[in-house]
Amino acid sequence: DQQVKQNSPSLSVQEGRISILNCDYTNSMFDYFLWYKKYPAEGPTFLISISSIKDKNEDGRFTVFLNKSAKHLSLHIVPSQPGDSAVYFCAASPRGGNKLTFGTGTQLKVEL
Amino acid sequence: KAGVTQTPRYLIKTRGQQVTLSCSPISGHRSVSWYQQTPGQGLQFLFEYFSETQRNKGNFPGRFSGRQFSNSRSEMNVSTLELGDSALYLCASKSGGLSGNTIYFGEGSWLTVV
Repeated sequence: DQQVKQNSPSLSVQEGRISILNCDYTNSMFDYFLWYKKYPAEGPTFLISISSIKDKNEDGRFTVFLNKSAKHLSLHIVPSQPGDSAVYFCAASPRGGNKLTFGTGTQLKVEL
Repeated sequence: KAGVTQTPRYLIKTRGQQVTLSCSPISGHRSVSWYQQTPGQGLQFLFEYFSETQRNKGNFPGRFSGRQFSNSRSEMNVSTLELGDSALYLCASKSGGLSGNTIYFGEGSWLTVV
């Protein structure tokens, strides 16, 4: 039972353009959502998070949008840079808990 | 301040052996969680410790165990290793609140079982 889904295994964008990574969840107990960037054989690096009481959170080039009614969140990266090329995971944790449930990841490639 | 530190970074073990992995959380963080990443199953939660007590457990067999010490450092142990235990094992720490705080990961321990 995949409670957090990232339906696009890969995404390719040109440098300077916007990257939009999507994530859907099914468990309505999730109330805190995070995005991580990951390189092979390394730990995930935290990018940005959002609480269920908000619908948008912005940090520099990264913006996360949350649509609770659709159980959907997205990560926007503007402008995209070659150094952004990595696998991006969305993760969710439930109200009152620390267990993260991860999506399957989206491989982002930013081309020159 | 220093991040989450995991040791060893790489190790190779033989089927049937056991392994112990170590994690030092970010200073001041009291919650430590462990995750397993494999190509087939992705990132999966193993367990979480807070104040030396296991607070949550994922769906893994009893061969996987852990503990936390009074200084918040944590260890996880896998006994009777199987080939399928080959994975990247990640430790994560958090300041301790039950929700709403960021969880930071270490670089991971890459275990290969032969």
